[in-house]
Amino acid sequence: SQQGEEDPQALSIQEGENATMNCSYKTSINNLQWYRQNSGRGLVHLILIRSNEREKHSGRLRVTLDTSKKSSSLLITASRAADTASYFCATDSNDYKLSFGAGTTVTVRA
Amino acid sequence: GAGVSQTPSNKVTEKGKYVELRCDPISGHTALYWYRQSLGQGPEFLIYFQGTGAADDSGLPNDRFFAVRPEGSVSTLKIQRTERGDSAVYLCASSPGLAGETGELFFGEGSRLTVL
Repeated sequence: SQQGEEDPQALSIQEGENATMNCSYKTSINNLQWYRQNSGRGLVHLILIRSNEREKHSGRLRVTLDTSKKSSSLLITASRAADTASYFCATDSNDYKLSFGAGTTVTVRA
Repeated sequence: GAGVSQTPSNKVTEKGKYVELRCDPISGHTALYWYRQSLGQGPEFLIYFQGTGAADDSGLPNDRFFAVRPEGSVSTLKIQRTERGDSAVYLCASSPGLAGETGELFFGEGSRLTVL
């Protein structure tokens, strides 16, 4: 079973625009991570936010976490064609097992 | 190698056949994971190794699936009597410690299994 659910399932934006996607989860977590997957490739870690953090930045990425609502958001600013990929949130309910959502597919149009 | 290596990258087999998928993790990573990803879905946990032992195999769907990591490095996922429903991409990931502590899992490119 998958712990997280991303919303929307798919997103199409123009290059230069911002892309926002959300993740909701069910149980208490230690941390929440976001991964990117290009078509036919493996997953690449983007950013981790711990349960006691509310916001984190990494380059053009901004992640927020609201543990009271059991939700997180990933914002990609000034999107580029190379940002076209699927994005997954992953939560750990114990120390070792990550549970992934179904992902948001982002298409950035040139 | 620099990253997690998985072989074969593609495997086509017939229903009822036996399949082995191999994962070579990043050198020194003690934790190794197998996930299965169906089309349009996120990865689903199968099994987790810490060193040589399977610390959690609760995600294996049934007893046709088995995985080993005899020397604490390379792991093999074995699927007996394959069924069409086993068709998916099998992803391997490793990490230097516990995912909850160190954060990141390093994924291979996956082995795409197609059962005809």
